Amino acid sequence: EAGVAQSPRYKIIEKRQSVAFWCNPISGHATLYWYQQILGQGPKLLIQFQNNGVVDDSQLPKDRFSAERLKGVDSTLKIQPAKLEDSAVYLCASSFSRGDTDTQYFGPGTRLTVL
Amino acid sequence: KNEVEQSPQNLTAQEGEFITINCSYSVGISALHWLQQHPGGGIVSLFMLSSGKKKHGRLIATINIQEKHSSLHITASHPRDSAVYICAVKEDSGGGADGLTFGKGTHLIIQP
Repeated sequence: EAGVAQSPRYKIIEKRQSVAFWCNPISGHATLYWYQQILGQGPKLLIQFQNNGVVDDSQLPKDRFSAERLKGVDSTLKIQPAKLEDSAVYLCASSFSRGDTDTQYFGPGTRLTVL
Repeated sequence: KNEVEQSPQNLTAQEGEFITINCSYSVGISALHWLQQHPGGGIVSLFMLSSGKKKHGRLIATINIQEKHSSLHITASHPRDSAVYICAVKEDSGGGADGLTFGKGTHLIIQP
């Protein structure tokens, strides 16, 4: 079974530039999560999708971050414009459903460096 | 919002030692996860617990719901166990968001 795919794996940009990350969850997984992991900290949930609808985006900085999952499969997370403090690893995870017993499977992450 | 605290933050031990990593949280949860993250690598789920104890190979995870506390134990530790171990909880949100709240992780190094 293929895992969660993310691209790119690494990205270096200058502040005020824009960047987009892509995630393809495990086939059949209805729930998709984007997390931000700043160096030395645990991941923080940015947004959760159930199919193509948003369940929670309370911690997403909506003035600069946006995410979509138009067809309920793959997802894109965008930052525009980027700030220095956005340097982090962006992790995508998916689970079969929203049940308490559903394991979240994580992708390898995209490491963003903002200069 | 749940606060997840892990201890210790860093742990260095010799091969073969018994390892314990602790996790405490502040509000009711529906599930607790133990995850492993290798440097430069993705996150792998080790256990998901809602009560009692689970064992997988040399790894054991326990949870005490009343005390809001969980432990991860590694028996006969090996250098390949060196990684960051992260505790994460799923709040009992009554149908709301399901995202996990993570601790900061415990950086474990097992020396040969």
